[in-house]
Amino acid sequence: AQTVTQSQPEMSVQEAETVTLSCTYDTSESDYYLFWYKQPPSRQMILVIRQEAYKQQNATENRFSVNFQKAAKSFSLKISDSQLGDAAMYFCAYRSRNRDDKIIFGKGTRLHILP
Amino acid sequence: DVKVTQSSRYLVKRTGEKVFLECVQDMDHENMFWYRQDPGLGLRLIYFSYDVKMKEKGDIPEGYSVSREKKERFSLILESASTNQTSMYLCASTVDSYSNQPQHFGDGTRLSIL
Repeated sequence: AQTVTQSQPEMSVQEAETVTLSCTYDTSESDYYLFWYKQPPSRQMILVIRQEAYKQQNATENRFSVNFQKAAKSFSLKISDSQLGDAAMYFCAYRSRNRDDKIIFGKGTRLHILP
Repeated sequence: DVKVTQSSRYLVKRTGEKVFLECVQDMDHENMFWYRQDPGLGLRLIYFSYDVKMKEKGDIPEGYSVSREKKERFSLILESASTNQTSMYLCASTVDSYSNQPQHFGDGTRLSIL
């Protein structure tokens, strides 16, 4: 069975600095999707960034980028120029490409932004 | 934009009550999901559905059931609520099982069982 591990329950970063959130996963599959979701306090969970496993190029969305290391089964999220609005719980997630659409979530990393 | 609407943001019920949590999506998505979210445990899948009248157990289905009579609506039912079911409940949907599209989430229902 697939698993997703986020080893950092909480992190803090100074405003305007860069922070990296770690995520590792375990799977025997070769084709899958990886996601980072953001859940601000008392607000809806939204997608931050996604990565298809067959793509070697790391996904980027504005200040958010990933470091996808398929062989190492690592999928870290880098947030550049951190802003107060980035404070949230971040979840790493794995989804197989087969018929089963279940997503496996990590336990989350709570990110604090220090002014 | 996809809209996933959960009927209540906050709900307080008593032990032993039958509780209904409703979720509606407006984008004709095939797949719908119910999770519970607890501190330190992340999101755990309760049930999911690929189509109308179809349901599949997730990782923690005990004490819950679901109903999907219409494509846009997926209901979570607590047959006899217990205090250990106090939690945040999240509903989500995806267009189908094959695309790279992410799950879209509702705002969540914070349920307290007294």
